[in-house]
Formats: sequence, C-alpha cells, structure tokens
Amino acid sequence: DTGVSQNPRHKITKRGQNVTFRCDPISEHNRLYWYRQTLGQGPEFLTYFQNEAQLEKSRLLSDRFSAERPKGSFSTLEIQRTEQGDSAMYLCASSSWTENYGYTFGSGTRLTVV
Amino acid sequence: SQQGEEDPQALSIQEGENATMNCSYKTSINNLQWYRQNSGRGLVHLILIRSNEREKHSGRLRVTLDTSKKSSSLLITASRAADTASYFCASNFGNEKLTFGTGTRLTIIP
Repeated sequence: DTGVSQNPRHKITKRGQNVTFRCDPISEHNRLYWYRQTLGQGPEFLTYFQNEAQLEKSRLLSDRFSAERPKGSFSTLEIQRTEQGDSAMYLCASSSWTENYGYTFGSGTRLTVV
Repeated sequence: SQQGEEDPQALSIQEGENATMNCSYKTSINNLQWYRQNSGRGLVHLILIRSNEREKHSGRLRVTLDTSKKSSSLLITASRAADTASYFCASNFGNEKLTFGTGTRLTIIP
C-alpha cells in the first residue's frame, strides 16, 4: 500500500480551459474526500464519496466542478472553464471511518490558472 | 467555511523547547483531530481525541480537549527542527466530513 496518490502534482492552465485531477485512495478505504486549500488557509471541504456514491457537496462546488468515483475506486475532479480564483491546492483524502482513525491525505495537485 | 481557529497563527521557538498551540471550535463535536502539513505537501494525521476524552498522548504529543470551552490544545515537547510545519485542528461534527481550522505555522530555530 503506497498511500493516497494524486496526479498530476502540478497543473498550469489558461483561463477558460478544462482540467481534470485524479486521486487513487488506499484500496481498503471506502470513503474519499476532496478538499481545496489556498495559501495560508486550512483545507476547505468540497465533496465526499462513500464507495461510488457522492454523499455531500459543498456550496463551494459550483456547477463548473464535478467529481466522480466510478466503481468506488479512484476518483476524478473536473473543473470546467477555469477561472483565476480556482488557483489552489486540491487535496484528496481517504478513510475507513470508524471514529478511531483520521484521514490519509495525498500530496495534492497544485493548480495555477493564468 | 472553517469552523475552527488556531492560536497563535505563527509561533517560533528554540529547538528543545515545548510548543503549545490552541484550537477553538463552534459546535458540538464527535471527535477532534490534529494534522501536520509541511510546506506544499499533503496533511499528515497526528492524533485523534474523542469528545468523551480529556487528554491523549502520542510520543512527544499531548492533546487536551475541553468540550465546555469548545477548545483543544496540542503540546509538542522537546521540539526538533523537523517539527517545523503548519498544524491544523479538524473537527468532526457527527457527519462524515472534517472541518479544518486556519492553522498555526510553527518554526523551530536550531
């Protein structure tokens, strides 16, 4: 088990382009979370999955954002028509929530919209 | 929105000294967790304390929880240069997600 893997590590895109990020969680974990973090702030919740079901979406997740977790394994986060305000670190985490364990985070994907 | 706030926002201490950072939250919790983040990296889970616990230890870490004051503290004893990082508290309010605070940037001076 190599932990939570996120790809790519860095992405620079022009405003208006679409981008897609991938997260591979720890295989035994049935819960997967996406967070966004801007400089100097704590992570902000975007959405989470239990297996393949998307159970909650933050109001931060505008219509330009969509996340999927087909077959309850890896997940993708797509941002359409990127804006400069989308520039941030996008973090993925997974857990097998039992109230005794925390999240395992990936290293994140840093998005820069120019 | 972020439900927790850490205090202080930044802390610099000499290597070997103890570091204490505090966290306040706004609503009742199931548990509270502390995470560390090195610059530009993901977060690492340090310790979890449940709402019915008052103190917990893990190595050089000691966490306390005061649910009446809706606050928690993280103590790192005998600090090392490798402890330089940002530290975040995160609250679980009974649903599936964690809500993170704003973080404390800790710098250990060799």
